[in-house]
Amino acid sequence: NAGVTQTPKFRVLKTGQSMTLLCAQDMNHEYMYWYRQDPGMGLRLIHYSVGEGTTAKGEVPDGYNVSRLKKQNFLLGLESAAPSQTSVYFCASTLSLTGELFFGEGSRLTVL
Amino acid sequence: AQTVTQSQPEMSVQEAETVTLSCTYDTSESNYYLFWYKQPPSRQMILVIRQEAYKQQNATENRFSVNFQKAAKSFSLKISDSQLGDTAMYFCAFMKHFNPIILTGGGNKLTFGTGTQLKVEL
Repeated sequence: NAGVTQTPKFRVLKTGQSMTLLCAQDMNHEYMYWYRQDPGMGLRLIHYSVGEGTTAKGEVPDGYNVSRLKKQNFLLGLESAAPSQTSVYFCASTLSLTGELFFGEGSRLTVL
Repeated sequence: AQTVTQSQPEMSVQEAETVTLSCTYDTSESNYYLFWYKQPPSRQMILVIRQEAYKQQNATENRFSVNFQKAAKSFSLKISDSQLGDTAMYFCAFMKHFNPIILTGGGNKLTFGTGTQLKVEL
């Protein structure tokens, strides 16, 4: 039972490089989310999706883009990485409007 | 916008003792949900307990219980009989009710507090 899987788990980038984080869930969940976690700031919502083909901005969307072409996948892209994007990124999904979020294990990104 | 405040960055407790983690929130909504999530060193986010605002009864899950004071906008977590495995970062989170028909609420988003690092000591 895979649940929510994030790839890659770790990545080091140079400033200006681009990359994509992949989130895959096998629970047929409608709602998917990307959060970033920084020390002393908790988790902040970057972008989210309420269904296949839809995306919306969260609290801190600048510098990121997302796509939800397939229901099970939610991609987070950094077009031109900046040191301020050094963080741990979490993907989450849920089926219910009132239920718990299921989180991936996180992806640690370092931008030099 | 909703805000969630956890005023205790770090706490410690002796094994088998009881500890209470504080959380306050600010919202104008009347219908919402509150959560406590646990993040152990493995980094995995784990749901500890969930409270629906329209329910007056405090939620309980084994050794974990909450004290939900709606008027005061307070949602504290009590851990009884603390165990070494309870050592983790604990996040309080808020979610306002989402209406899928008229698309209010923004899609089931969670707003998190900054976390409390709990250490259980021998």
